[in-house]
Amino acid sequence: AQSVTQPDIHITVSEGASLELRCNYSYGATPYLFWYVQSPGQGLQLLLKYFSGDTLVQGIKGFEAEFKRSQSSFNLRKPSVHWSDAAEYFCAVGAGSMNTGFQKLVFGTGTRLLVSP
Amino acid sequence: DAGVIQSPRHEVTEMGQEVTLRCKPISGHNSLFWYRQTMMRGLELLIYFNNNVPIDDSGMPEDRFSAKMPNASFSTLKIQPSEPRDSAVYFCASSPRTGTRGYTFGSGTRLTVV
Repeated sequence: AQSVTQPDIHITVSEGASLELRCNYSYGATPYLFWYVQSPGQGLQLLLKYFSGDTLVQGIKGFEAEFKRSQSSFNLRKPSVHWSDAAEYFCAVGAGSMNTGFQKLVFGTGTRLLVSP
Repeated sequence: DAGVIQSPRHEVTEMGQEVTLRCKPISGHNSLFWYRQTMMRGLELLIYFNNNVPIDDSGMPEDRFSAKMPNASFSTLKIQPSEPRDSAVYFCASSPRTGTRGYTFGSGTRLTVV
């Protein structure tokens, strides 16, 4: 079965410092990979996605992620964190159906980012 | 574009009562998903629809839960009777075609069953 592991429950980063959030997936075929962000009391907002091609993908708000097939990873990065980036971040893999070709998203448990002054 | 619209934003109900959550997907999106989020279990997919037809409801926890999508612009998730352990945030999401481009989520309904 498809699964996503986010090993860090929470991370604290100083404002202006760089950020890397880890994500490992388990999926037998070429995955569709996503990062979402959730601010308190809000829904999930799509940051970026990977389907194929260039393994380094750019997203909104200055985020990027790199797909590494050999490591089954899709880590999220940002060179300089802003206080407004404090939120919960979810990695997800699109799990396809052989019959319908349909993708449902399987989410990781999330990483809560705290930004210190 | 108004995004995915869910109502109500908050619902407090007594155990045993019927609860109905509503969702209006983005116009033109033909896939719709219901998720439940709790601290203990994270984000769980309950059911999803494609072209108004339920494709997979294996995530629906019990027979007390039911979901319908009578047309392309409206879906409901009903819990009857509700129990305290149903307390969670319920999200609706929609996507075009087969969901391969990612979903757009609504703001969620926070359900509290007392």
